[in-house]
Amino acid sequence: GIQVEQSPPDLILQEGANSTLRCNFSDSVNNLQWFHQNPWGQLINLFYIPSGTKQNGRLSATTVATERYSLLYISSSQTTDSGVYFCAGINDYKLSFGAGTTVTVRA
Amino acid sequence: GAGVSQSPSNKVTEKGKDVELRCDPISGHTALYWYRQRLGQGLEFLIYFQGNSAPDKSGLPSDRFSAERTGESVSTLTIQRTQQEDSAVYLCASSYASGNTEAFFGQGTRLTVV
Repeated sequence: GIQVEQSPPDLILQEGANSTLRCNFSDSVNNLQWFHQNPWGQLINLFYIPSGTKQNGRLSATTVATERYSLLYISSSQTTDSGVYFCAGINDYKLSFGAGTTVTVRA
Repeated sequence: GAGVSQSPSNKVTEKGKDVELRCDPISGHTALYWYRQRLGQGLEFLIYFQGNSAPDKSGLPSDRFSAERTGESVSTLTIQRTQQEDSAVYLCASSYASGNTEAFFGQGTRLTVV
């Protein structure tokens, strides 16, 4: 499977701040997803974004497939945005995960 | 079903006992994945099913771990002679097909070996 690198590993934000999370892939992918893991451990689907840009409320994501990276933007962060954000990509069939970015939003 | 369902949600077992973890994928999803997540860690790939076949079992940590899938639906992950290092959350995901479709995860089974 492919190698997935996420940065930064940890992010501390003041409520209302904006941030960018990055995901780099070692090889081309034909599926790319962003997940948020909530405090109960559930993986919530944020974006399915093999290429291009998508927006969902205060979150948006951009994938540049030719350069093997994806970005997740959080705008006007809220305390409920806290948790671990994972990106994952498929090359062939295996969905490979990065180590995650732990986001802490302080009130 | 509406989503991926895993059971039990929590399992506490004594060291040396066997456990079975169950995953019910979304109806019609042919691809099914098992992952393990130790406390504070990322997701570790265990096994992948396409239909009832498992073309990649490379992630299974030892021969104490096995998995099967029947009827292109339910999958069972079995851990024999459990050890304390098996304690983790076991997550299952499914998708319509491998590769180009979105995967969805169940809520996981938290296994504690005492």
